[in-house]
This record gives sequence, C-alpha cells and structure tokens, in this order.
Amino acid sequence: GQNIDQPTEMTATEGAIVQINCTYQTSGFNGLFWYQQHAGEAPTFLSYNVLDGLEEKGRFSSFLSRSKGYSYLLLKELQMKDSASYLCAVHLSWGKFQFGAGTQVVVTP
Amino acid sequence: DADVTQTPRNRITKTGKRIMLECSQTKGHDRMYWYRQDPGLGLRLIYYSFDVKDINKGEISDGYSVSRQAQAKFSLSLESAIPNQTALYFCATSDLPRLTGGWNTGELFFGEGSRLTVL
Repeated sequence: GQNIDQPTEMTATEGAIVQINCTYQTSGFNGLFWYQQHAGEAPTFLSYNVLDGLEEKGRFSSFLSRSKGYSYLLLKELQMKDSASYLCAVHLSWGKFQFGAGTQVVVTP
Repeated sequence: DADVTQTPRNRITKTGKRIMLECSQTKGHDRMYWYRQDPGLGLRLIYYSFDVKDINKGEISDGYSVSRQAQAKFSLSLESAIPNQTALYFCATSDLPRLTGGWNTGELFFGEGSRLTVL
C-alpha cells in the first residue's frame, strides 16, 4: 500500500531554521510536492522534486532521495506567517496524489 | 476571481439529506479531483476524473458520487448525508505533467474549500 510519514508538529522561534522530514513508501513515483496550508484555507504549492537533490526557492528548500524514499522541506529565517501546516505529497505514476497527514509548524516570537 | 471555485463554501445540513458540492475551473485542466480533509488524517481522495468521460473512485468513495458535466465542472454528491461526512472538502485540478518541452510539474490547484457539517 501507500504510506507517507511526516511529524505531526514542530515548534521553532522566529528567525530560526526548521526541517520537516517526509518518508514515503509508494508503488509508482512521479515526483514529490510540498504544500503549505494555513488553517481553514486551501493548500498552496511550495516546491516540487522529481530528481535527487536540493531545490532552493528563496527561504524554502526541498530535498529528495528517491532511493531512500525520503524528502525534507527546509524553512529558513522563520517568520510568524510561516505558522501553518506543511503537506508532503507523492505524485503517483498513474496520476493520483498521495498526501501525508501534514506537519503543523508553530513559530514563536 | 479564483481559478478553481467551489460552492457552497459552508453548509450545515441534517442526516439523510442530499447534498451537492459544485466545482468549476477556468484553468483549462482536464484532471479534476475531490478530496476531504479531517484533522490528523490529511487529504484523502474521494473521486477523480482525467477527462469528461472518465470517472474513477478514490480511497474513500463510499457514500459519495460525482458528475463531470463538462471539462470545467465536477460536482460531488452525498446522496444521504451522515454525521461522519462532516469535513472540509476540496476540489482540485491539475494539468498533465511535462518535464520537457515546456516545464509543467502537474501540481494540484485547489479550490477554497467547502466546509460541510452534518447534524
């Protein structure tokens, strides 16, 4: 079956760095997405990895190792507005997406 | 205006009532999806459609049905609502991924969500 694991919650202070890990076991892999979701709102796209390595977009970076079934999202220079849930999602070969349960990041002053 | 629009945004209904959630999109995508989100469970796929004549069950389709009326419209129905269908529902669209000749990740674009409460 499909399985995606990520921590339930992480807390960090403003200005710090937080790394959210995601491990997956899926049959069929077509890429890995990270989405940000504020409470009561729709998820919004943050990053995409299809090849091994690091993708950097401003304060956010995402890493993928396909052989290990592992990804992480790195949030640098944390701001209060980064308090949100972060969803790891695997794009399966036949077009569906499998989501993890999400990691709630709490940024404290 | 949002590219993916859901109606209604909020609905309170009673057990046994029929409910329809509607989704329309202006992105021109062929692929459309319905998800439900419950605290601690993440997004779970109810139904998906890759074109107008294509309907597929997701992981939690029992108690739900869908209709793809046009490329731009995909509606979700609860024939007889029950309290454990209380959730936040999202419609989403995506394009076919293209990694060469015009990069397209095939990412999901979500509607703003429909909060359904079944009493």
